[in-house]
Amino acid sequence: NAGVMQNPRHLVRRRGQEARLRCSPMKGHSHVYWYRQLPEEGLKFMVYLQKENIIDESGMPKERFSAEFPKEGPSILRIQQVVRGDSAAYFCASSPTTSGLSYEQYFGPGTRLTVT
Amino acid sequence: DQQVKQNSPSLSVQEGRISILNCDYTNSMFDYFLWYKKYPAEGPTFLISISSIKDKNEDGRFTVFLNKSAKHLSLHIVPSQPGDSAVYFCAATSYRFGQNFVFGPGTRLSVLP
Repeated sequence: NAGVMQNPRHLVRRRGQEARLRCSPMKGHSHVYWYRQLPEEGLKFMVYLQKENIIDESGMPKERFSAEFPKEGPSILRIQQVVRGDSAAYFCASSPTTSGLSYEQYFGPGTRLTVT
Repeated sequence: DQQVKQNSPSLSVQEGRISILNCDYTNSMFDYFLWYKKYPAEGPTFLISISSIKDKNEDGRFTVFLNKSAKHLSLHIVPSQPGDSAVYFCAATSYRFGQNFVFGPGTRLSVLP
């Protein structure tokens, strides 16, 4: 059973370009979470999605950032017009719960975004 | 405002000795706590958790202690092994927050052979 997969592992973008980060959850998992880790800091929650629904985006910046988890395919975190401050490691996690709450979150290896 | 604090950025311990990693939280609504371990260039991996109805949970060499009145938890690793060298994150959540985990900044543990 493959774990959570993220690609690309490393992404370099110039200021003003768009960054697209992909996350494929573990098989059978329908819940996806995105976290951002700035250097020397802990992981900060960004958004929680189920298939075709955004459940909680309270940690997502209001501008330039968006996330989706379509019925088919991976979850996408999209950052438009990137700035240097967006440089960070972005982690995706998935969980198996289909109802109620689960505290099990399995993390992917992360995408390291560098904005030059 | 950091709701979950890990005040020691780093810790060095001799192999075979006990490692104690500390975590403090400020939000009394948190009712579930987790420890994650992270190696460089990898995602965090779940280590151990504890519900607020307990004050101790043990799993092999790892034990987590929770002191609700002090809003403090600690992770004990006994005996420490070189392979335990990693960054350890404390995380807290509550059913009221849905799936939102709040992570501390991490403590880098180095176990010296």
